[in-house]
Amino acid sequence: GENVEQHPSTLSVQEGDSAVIKCTYSDSASNYFPWYKQELGKGPQLIIDIRSNVGEKKDQRIAVTLNKTAKHFSLHITETQPEDSAVYFCAARDSGGSYIPTFGRGTSLIVHP
Amino acid sequence: DGGITQSPKYLFRKEGQNVTLSCEQNLNHDAMYWYRQDPGQGLRLIYYSQIVNDFQKGDIAEGYSVSREKKESFPLTVTSAQKNPTAFYLCASSMRLAGSKNIQYFGAGTRLSVL
Repeated sequence: GENVEQHPSTLSVQEGDSAVIKCTYSDSASNYFPWYKQELGKGPQLIIDIRSNVGEKKDQRIAVTLNKTAKHFSLHITETQPEDSAVYFCAARDSGGSYIPTFGRGTSLIVHP
Repeated sequence: DGGITQSPKYLFRKEGQNVTLSCEQNLNHDAMYWYRQDPGQGLRLIYYSQIVNDFQKGDIAEGYSVSREKKESFPLTVTSAQKNPTAFYLCASSMRLAGSKNIQYFGAGTRLSVL
């Protein structure tokens, strides 16, 4: 089955800095990679996703890049703000099998004002 | 407002007791899922359902049971056989299980603790 590794587990930045969270996956058949943001006491919310036919996708201050050859994908947040503080999860889903995404263990992002 | 409603927000279980967590969605989604979240563990799949009256075990189904009698409802029962039930439980749904329509949307979660 799929295995997703996510790093770092904790990331602390100053407001205005950039933050990068990296994930690797094991199943070359995976073709869909969502990123979720989970605020304290709430459920995860989808913030951006990318499919395997695209190398990069941007949405305002957030972007995701995908390297299919190396089997890794990253979340980039620019000009971080205190409200970006949350736990971020990456996931990978393959095109066959159960279609259920496999999640990374999460990254706790702390943005200091 | 369309969405996924989980209740209760907090739940306490006594030894030997079964408890049921509610999950209701009004998104007209076919697929529904239950995940367990422990600190530093990410999301682990307990059960999922593609369609009414059908459900499949996930990675950690032991000690849990589900039913899917209605499209909008997917309750999870934590049985007394689950020896370590303290966790944050998340329900999710997606339009379909497979294909480009299986983007998952999550409820706000239920925190279960053992007394």
